[in-house]
Amino acid sequence: EDQVTQSPEALRLQEGESSSLNCSYTVSGLRGLFWYRQDPGKGPEFLFTLYSAGEEKEKERLKATLTKKESFLHITAPKPEDSATYLCAVQAATSGTYKYIFGTGTRLKVLA
Amino acid sequence: NAGVTQTPKFRVLKTGQSMTLLCAQDMNHEYMYWYRQDPGMGLRLIHYSVGEGTTAKGEVPDGYNVSRLKKQNFLLGLESAAPSQTSVYFCASSYSSQDRTDTQYFGPGTRLTVL
Repeated sequence: EDQVTQSPEALRLQEGESSSLNCSYTVSGLRGLFWYRQDPGKGPEFLFTLYSAGEEKEKERLKATLTKKESFLHITAPKPEDSATYLCAVQAATSGTYKYIFGTGTRLKVLA
Repeated sequence: NAGVTQTPKFRVLKTGQSMTLLCAQDMNHEYMYWYRQDPGMGLRLIHYSVGEGTTAKGEVPDGYNVSRLKKQNFLLGLESAAPSQTSVYFCASSYSSQDRTDTQYFGPGTRLTVL
């Protein structure tokens, strides 16, 4: 069964304390892996798309990496404004169609 | 560009009432989607559309209907609301889904409470 699991569920960091969020997946025919940021009361905001193992993308303090089984979102020297829920999703090819599967997210809180 | 917009932002219904949620996108995207988001669960696909005049069922379609009469609009209807449909509803759109990996862009959401 296609599945996406994110860990940890919640993470509290001090400002400047770097860490990583994990997204592990079990899908047939991975087409792409997506990272989104979601602020309370808002819709998911697109961050990155990764297509193949070994690929990395960066944006400000965020860096996303992809292996054949998981993706990491590395947060370097986070600031309080990085506090949000980070969602991972995969697009998988299943039975001739493509579908998106979302994880339940990691709630990140960065303390000043 | 406004991106993906949704109306209304909030709504409270009584059990058995009906309503329609409107999603609009100005990115000329072919594909549009309706999701619901519940605590402790990932976004779950309700219905989607691969183009004007087409609709298809997603993971949790029961109790909902959709229509895509215009390319830029995707409507989600609840004919007889139930408390189990209390949720936050998100609309998304993407350029396509079949031929390449495409990013979905989301609207701000509609918070629906069914009493």
